[in-house]
Amino acid sequence: DIVMTQSPDSLAVSLGERATINCKSTQSVLYNSNNKNYLGWYQQKPGQPPKLLIYWASTRESGVPDRFSGSGSGTDFTLTISSLQAEDVAVYYCQQYYSTPPTFGQGTKVEIK
Amino acid sequence: EVQLVESGGGLVQPGGSLRLSCAASGFSFSGYWMHWVRQAPGKGLVWVSRINSYGSSTSYADSVKGRFTISRDNAKNTMYLQMNSLRVEDTGVYYCARGNEYGDALWYFDLWGRGTLVTVSS
Repeated sequence: DIVMTQSPDSLAVSLGERATINCKSTQSVLYNSNNKNYLGWYQQKPGQPPKLLIYWASTRESGVPDRFSGSGSGTDFTLTISSLQAEDVAVYYCQQYYSTPPTFGQGTKVEIK
Repeated sequence: EVQLVESGGGLVQPGGSLRLSCAASGFSFSGYWMHWVRQAPGKGLVWVSRINSYGSSTSYADSVKGRFTISRDNAKNTMYLQMNSLRVEDTGVYYCARGNEYGDALWYFDLWGRGTLVTVSS
């Protein structure tokens, strides 16, 4: 199985400041035939189900604010919140869907400083 | 409204059984791969199982293989998870999630239900 490791486990950021979450996979999730990274990012607020934010490592899901962006390729990925808002307090998960079983990172908790 | 609604959770003793349901509405359910993902209390997300649009192809996490069975009834727009020989470590919220509309099993999950809680305890 591909293991996904996120860093940090938690971070506190001031309102309006940038938040950066890293995700590393134990093997590449770049599918060479279509040049796509099989990597997604999800947001989970307390008491709610996960919500898809980013897929193919950098494509924003419809309706997701443009302050959320994804980058990276191969084994190293980043989710950036350019200007943290109060409603962004949540746990964020990366997920690889390159191979079965699809696996998630352990989550990164984002709080307001 | 496009949504998934899970039901069937509850308290069960170790070794017992439960059947979860996931009712879909607002989209063409029969065209999509569907998945179950679980989350133990205070823990992260773990994929459990998936089924293709026809119900002819299934896959399971090693931790549930041989104990859980996924199925679907496209006429009822509903997916199921039959859980047998339940263990304490199966406790958690079970979410259903939507995968790809076409043939590819390897896809992100773009729609999630609110989940149903399964508690395995004596």
